[in-house]
Amino acid sequence: AQSVTQPDIHITVSEGASLELRCNYSYGATPYLFWYVQSPGQGLQLLLKYFSGDTLVQGIKGFEAEFKRSQSSFNLRKPSVHWSDAAEYFCAVVSEGTGRRALTFGSGTRLQVQP
Amino acid sequence: DSGVTQTPKHLITATGQRVTLRCSPRSGDLSVYWYQQSLDQGLQFLIQYYNGEERAKGNILERFSAQQFPDLHSELNLSSLELGDSALYFCASSGTTGAGNTIYFGEGSWLTVV
Repeated sequence: AQSVTQPDIHITVSEGASLELRCNYSYGATPYLFWYVQSPGQGLQLLLKYFSGDTLVQGIKGFEAEFKRSQSSFNLRKPSVHWSDAAEYFCAVVSEGTGRRALTFGSGTRLQVQP
Repeated sequence: DSGVTQTPKHLITATGQRVTLRCSPRSGDLSVYWYQQSLDQGLQFLIQYYNGEERAKGNILERFSAQQFPDLHSELNLSSLELGDSALYFCASSGTTGAGNTIYFGEGSWLTVV
């Protein structure tokens, strides 16, 4: 069965510092990977997605993620964090070929940004 | 704005009661998903419908049921509510069932069972 692990429950960075949020997946075939962000009291917003092709994908709000098959990872990065990036971030994987497209989410990483 | 609309946004009800959560998918989207987000379980997939038919089931309790209507809106029915059912319930939609399509989420319905 597919699964997603986000090893860091909580991360604190200073505004302007770089950010990397870790995500590891377990899935036999080629995964379809997503990063979503949830601001307090809000729904889930898609940041970026990887299906195939270039392993470095660009998303909204200056985020990018790199797919590394050898490490089963899909880490999210941002070169300079803004205070408005404080939120919870979820990595997710979806199955393929079965018609079922339900996302399997990681447990999330809560990002706190210090002034 | 994702285009997925959920009502109500907040709901407080007593144990043993029944509630219905409503979802309007993005215009043209045929697939609807329901998720539950709670502190102890995280984001859990409940059920998926595609063009009116149930497509997949996740960790949905027998006390819960859902349906998708001909106009593609969906309802999640929660009955015999327990304190542990307090959670944020998300509806999401996508255009087809292909894995290449993005799933868009609504802002959720906060359910508090007292």
